[in-house]
Amino acid sequence: NAGVTQTPKFQVLKTGQSMTLQCAQDMNHNSMYWYRQDPGMGLRLIYYSASEGTTDKGEVPDGYNVSRLKKQNFLLGLESAAPSQTSVYFCASSQDTTGELFFGEGSRLTVL
Amino acid sequence: GENVEQHPSTLSVQEGDSAVIKCTYSDSASNYFPWYKQELGKGPQLIIDIRSNVGEKKDQRIAVTLNKTAKHFSLHITETQPEDSAVYFCAARDFGNEKLTFGTGTRLTIIP
Repeated sequence: NAGVTQTPKFQVLKTGQSMTLQCAQDMNHNSMYWYRQDPGMGLRLIYYSASEGTTDKGEVPDGYNVSRLKKQNFLLGLESAAPSQTSVYFCASSQDTTGELFFGEGSRLTVL
Repeated sequence: GENVEQHPSTLSVQEGDSAVIKCTYSDSASNYFPWYKQELGKGPQLIIDIRSNVGEKKDQRIAVTLNKTAKHFSLHITETQPEDSAVYFCAARDFGNEKLTFGTGTRLTIIP
């Protein structure tokens, strides 16, 4: 049972480059989320999708975009990476927006 | 919006002793308070949660208490074991909000 799968697990970018973090869940969950984790800052919500085809901003959305075209996939894009976006990114899913969150194992992104 | 403060940021406990982690929240409308455990290199995982209609909940060696008047809740781990070493996050959400707000995390180390 895979649960929530994130790719890639590690990525190094140069300032200004773009990339997409991919997240897939096999639990038929309606809601999906992207968080970033920084030392001393806890988990901060970037964007979330309550259901397929919908997305909403979280606490720290600037510099990111998302796409939820399929129920099982949630993509996080960085159009022009900045060193401040160096972080560990976690995708999560839940049955609905009031349910338990199931997290992936994280994607470590370094922007030079 | 909701603001969750978590203390302490680090905690070292002798194996077999108890550990307590405390969180305070700002929004009196919050009514759901989960705790997540993050092991090294993994994503967070729900270990226990409590809703505002109860003051305490136990699951084996883990318990959570809630004081709605004071707007704080705590995680209690008894008879600690080496596998309890991890980062613990508290979180809060009000009924009408789709988003969880996380605390900044506590790194718990169990000393053999």
